[in-house]
Amino acid sequence: QVQLVESGGGVVQPGRSLRLSCAASGSTFSSYGIHWVRQAPGKGLEWVAVISHDGSNEYYVESVKGRFTISRDTSKTTLYLQMHSLRAEDTAVYYCAKDGEYGDDGNWRGMDVWGQGTTVTVSS
Amino acid sequence: EIVLTQSPGTLSLSPGERATLSCRASQSVSNTYLAWYQQKPGQAPRLLIYGASSRATGIPDRFSGSGSGTDFTLTISRLEPEDFAVYYCQQYGSSPLITFGPGTKVDIK
Repeated sequence: QVQLVESGGGVVQPGRSLRLSCAASGSTFSSYGIHWVRQAPGKGLEWVAVISHDGSNEYYVESVKGRFTISRDTSKTTLYLQMHSLRAEDTAVYYCAKDGEYGDDGNWRGMDVWGQGTTVTVSS
Repeated sequence: EIVLTQSPGTLSLSPGERATLSCRASQSVSNTYLAWYQQKPGQAPRLLIYGASSRATGIPDRFSGSGSGTDFTLTISRLEPEDFAVYYCQQYGSSPLITFGPGTKVDIK
């Protein structure tokens, strides 16, 4: 069973940078894609980015394009989210979540494993 | 962009009652790419349903999903105390790649 543990959150001033990490264990790291999903205080879930199992494809929500970069290091079985030019509206709990890929029935299996989250606060 | 709308915003029910949660999409969504999640306070979301109607591993059979096109439903046949939580629907595949609905809170009446 895959386990995901996020780290790297903290308080940062607007315009500064921060890098989040998501350490994976328990399964072949290179066999699945991984997402970042965030949740602003008291709000719902917002998908942020995804990287494919081999790192060859990345996708982002429009609001973070050009500011955030998702990457993965197979040797360290770790996912990263490099965040630049942070804004107050980036304040949230950031979760990494494993992509469940596709089952034999052809259905996408959703985000089937989640970390516990790391909190990012952007404030002066 | 596909927008997901969930109703009601809050559902107040008693343990043992049936809960019916709605998720409506602004454009047709393939059943293949519709999922439901449960989130309790202070916890990460948990996958309940994928493929619109398939239960994820370990999910009790009192949870069921149905629907197609633009209208999807999550049903909890008999609410247990641990089911009081917020529920989100999610679609995958249209720009943005993934979107969540705003959530339905199921609370104790």
